[in-house]
Amino acid sequence: GAGVSQSPRYKVAKRGQDVALRCDPISGHVSLFWYQQALGQGPEFLTYFQNEAQLDKSGLPSDRFFAERPEGSVSTLKIQRTQQEDSAVYLCASASPPFRLAGPRFDTQYFGPGTRLTVL
Amino acid sequence: ELKVEQNPLFLSMQEGKNYTIYCNYSTTSDRLYWYRQDPGKSLESLFVLLSNGAVKQEGRLMASLDTKARLSTLHITAAVHDLSATYFCAVPLYDKVIFGPGTSLSVIP
Repeated sequence: GAGVSQSPRYKVAKRGQDVALRCDPISGHVSLFWYQQALGQGPEFLTYFQNEAQLDKSGLPSDRFFAERPEGSVSTLKIQRTQQEDSAVYLCASASPPFRLAGPRFDTQYFGPGTRLTVL
Repeated sequence: ELKVEQNPLFLSMQEGKNYTIYCNYSTTSDRLYWYRQDPGKSLESLFVLLSNGAVKQEGRLMASLDTKARLSTLHITAAVHDLSATYFCAVPLYDKVIFGPGTSLSVIP
């Protein structure tokens, strides 16, 4: 079946512009995560959804960052008034069971290809 | 605050040699993940380690987890060029997953 897809794959924005990044998770996956990966670094957690509920947004770096998943499937990460420090790859990942579920049934995360955002 | 560290951050090794990458984390967790990332690509899941003493092997890679020591190892046996990539360990904490900084592995002839 299809994996996690993200669009656009590349986005160039002028400083101050708003951008919207889309994530299509694997069908039926309850859990969805957004990460920010700067060049040469590991992914940094941004936010987590379980279905349409945003259970953790503690990683969003500022109130310019906003994420939604209104119908529990597709998610959008919006960045308002982009700054140069927002330049990074934004990764989306999905997983099958609710992430908090303990035990061996827990599934790994499946990552999308990422959106590379460059803010000029 | 959970911190995940990896050692070494950069590794250049000859084909055919063995080496171990270490992952330390600062708070209690009963599971740990290893991912591989090729340049310009996304992350590929390698191993999910779900309990203390867990050991998993896939080809030339073997991962283990010691939850009491808060340590995981990724052992490379008889390295080949195709293993050149960046390897990340990651630890879950409530609703988030914290990644280490990555180990950039280069296998040279």
